[in-house]
Amino acid sequence: AQKVTQAQTEISVVEKEDVTLDCVYETRDTTYYLFWYKQPPSGELVFLIRRNSFDEQNEISGRYSWNFQKSTSSFNFTITASQVVDSAVYFCALSKDRDDKIIFGKGTRLHILP
Amino acid sequence: DAGVIQSPRHEVTEMGQEVTLRCKPISGHDYLFWYRQTMMRGLELLIYFNNNVPIDDSGMPEDRFSAKMPNASFSTLKIQPSEPRDSAVYFCASSLDIAETQYFGPGTRLLVL
Repeated sequence: AQKVTQAQTEISVVEKEDVTLDCVYETRDTTYYLFWYKQPPSGELVFLIRRNSFDEQNEISGRYSWNFQKSTSSFNFTITASQVVDSAVYFCALSKDRDDKIIFGKGTRLHILP
Repeated sequence: DAGVIQSPRHEVTEMGQEVTLRCKPISGHDYLFWYRQTMMRGLELLIYFNNNVPIDDSGMPEDRFSAKMPNASFSTLKIQPSEPRDSAVYFCASSLDIAETQYFGPGTRLLVL
């Protein structure tokens, strides 16, 4: 069975600090996809990244970076020099190739304090 | 493209009334998903369609919930009769394929009194 665990329910950091959101997944498949979505206070869900299981290269996009480690089944998300606008709930998600729907984690609520 | 469109954005109704939520997916997307989000249960997949055909409705809570997709550009989620515990935000999402990125609509915030 597939599972996504985001152990951090809520995190608060002061603006400009770096923060890492953890995501641990479980799957028996060799081919799968991992996602991060952001849900700001306005409520919409915004796609951030999609990574397939064969690509373990770390990804950087501006202040955002993702660390994918198959050895620990983790796909962690780091925000560097956090800003108040980063305050949101962040969801990690997993899907198998072809046949299966996306499974979402419970989310991590991130508060960036001014 | 305008993205996934949902209507209404907010709905307040009384227990026992019928509620219909609407969704227009992104053009060209073959998959459409309905989710429900609550504080207690997080984000739950209710049902999804492939090429207008319901594929998996195992997440639909009970017979009071029904969903249809009469064509590639329109889907509805109906609750009849509605109950206070149905209060939630309902999201529609669409994607090119089952494991591809899902793009979400703005959601419908439903309150059943």
